[in-house]
Amino acid sequence: AQKITQTQPGMFVQEKEAVTLDCTYDTSDQSYGLFWYKQPSSGEMIFLIYQGSYDEQNATEGRYSLNFQKARKSANLVISASQLGDSAMYFCAMRALYNTGGFKTIFGAGTRLFVKA
Amino acid sequence: DGGITQSPKYLFRKEGQNVTLSCEQNLNHDAMYWYRQDPGQGLRLIYYSQIVNDFQKGDIAEGYSVSREKKESFPLTVTSAQKNPTAFYLCASSVDGISYEQYFGPGTRLTVT
Repeated sequence: AQKITQTQPGMFVQEKEAVTLDCTYDTSDQSYGLFWYKQPSSGEMIFLIYQGSYDEQNATEGRYSLNFQKARKSANLVISASQLGDSAMYFCAMRALYNTGGFKTIFGAGTRLFVKA
Repeated sequence: DGGITQSPKYLFRKEGQNVTLSCEQNLNHDAMYWYRQDPGQGLRLIYYSQIVNDFQKGDIAEGYSVSREKKESFPLTVTSAQKNPTAFYLCASSVDGISYEQYFGPGTRLTVT
């Protein structure tokens, strides 16, 4: 079964420090994609970063990088130089082929990040 | 400005009433999606549509219905058959059914008492 697991319900980090949010996934597909989204308290989902299963380099977008370890089926998000505005819920997600055709996105339960001043 | 709008932001209904949530996009995207989010949980797919006049059930479609008569619009009706309708509902769109990046609307928080 396709599944995303985020084992950290909440995380604290000091402002300006780096933090790693864990994500493991399970799929039997050879081709898949992994994402991270940020959800502030206002509720909207903000796309952060994407990693394709065949991408050899780890994805990076500004202060965000995705530590992709295919053999371990993990796709951890690293946020460098944390800012107070990074306090939010973070979701790991995987793009999977749906049984009725087309693709769907499977989300993990999320990790709430608190950045301390 | 291109984007996705959902209205209203907050919606209150009495148990037993059907309610329709609006989702409009001006991004010219073919694919649209409806997700449900419960407190402390991730998003779960209710319905999706890859093209006008076509839609498919997601993982939790029971008690919901949708239509896709126009490319820009994908309204979701929460029927009285939905046992636990109180939740946060998010609409999203993507260029097509293959594209990985989804753009989300601001969401509608539905409370049914």
